Amino acid sequence: GENVEQHPSTLSVQEGDSAVIKCTYSDSASNYFPWYKQELGKRPQLIIDIRSNVGEKKDQRIAVTLNKTAKHFSLHITETQPEDSAVYFCAAPNQAGTALIFGKGTTLSVSS
Amino acid sequence: EAGVTQFPSHSVIEKGQTVTLRCDPISGHDNLYWYRRVMGKEIKFLLHFVKESKQDESGMPNNRFLAERTGGTYSTLKVQPAELEDSGVYFCASSQWTSDETQYFGPGTRLLVL
Repeated sequence: GENVEQHPSTLSVQEGDSAVIKCTYSDSASNYFPWYKQELGKRPQLIIDIRSNVGEKKDQRIAVTLNKTAKHFSLHITETQPEDSAVYFCAAPNQAGTALIFGKGTTLSVSS
Repeated sequence: EAGVTQFPSHSVIEKGQTVTLRCDPISGHDNLYWYRRVMGKEIKFLLHFVKESKQDESGMPNNRFLAERTGGTYSTLKVQPAELEDSGVYFCASSQWTSDETQYFGPGTRLLVL
């Protein structure tokens, strides 16, 4: 069945370090991969997304890479700051294209 | 532009009672989705509306859940009767086009069934 696996479930880094979160997906036809950030008690917010026609996308300190052959994509956060602390979710469309399938989330803690 | 709104923000009910959650999508968004996050687990899809039509309701747990979107604007999700395992955060999201476009999430309704 359709599945999105996300690792690690928790990640603790020091301020200024880099953080990497990895996801794998099962449907080779998937063509859209968003990343959401959810701060405590707030709504999930899209921080970056990538489509299958590119291998990498960057937005300031955030980047996403996609390997379609291996069916995995990763979120990279450089120069982490305490305000990056949140739960991060990766997602991919279901086969029917009617919804997003989410990973289980990664709780990122950035300590100063 | 106003974002997706949900009401209520919190609801505490007893097992067997009924609760109705409401979602107002971003104006002009034909696609409306309901998701649920239970006990810190993944965000799970419940159903998808395109305008007033249910496009996919494969994620609905059972027939105690009923979603409507009369007129293709706001949507309601009713749980009747509520069970303990229904506790969680119910999110609504909307998008202008299909699911491979950005989905904008509401703040969620935190439901606790005692």
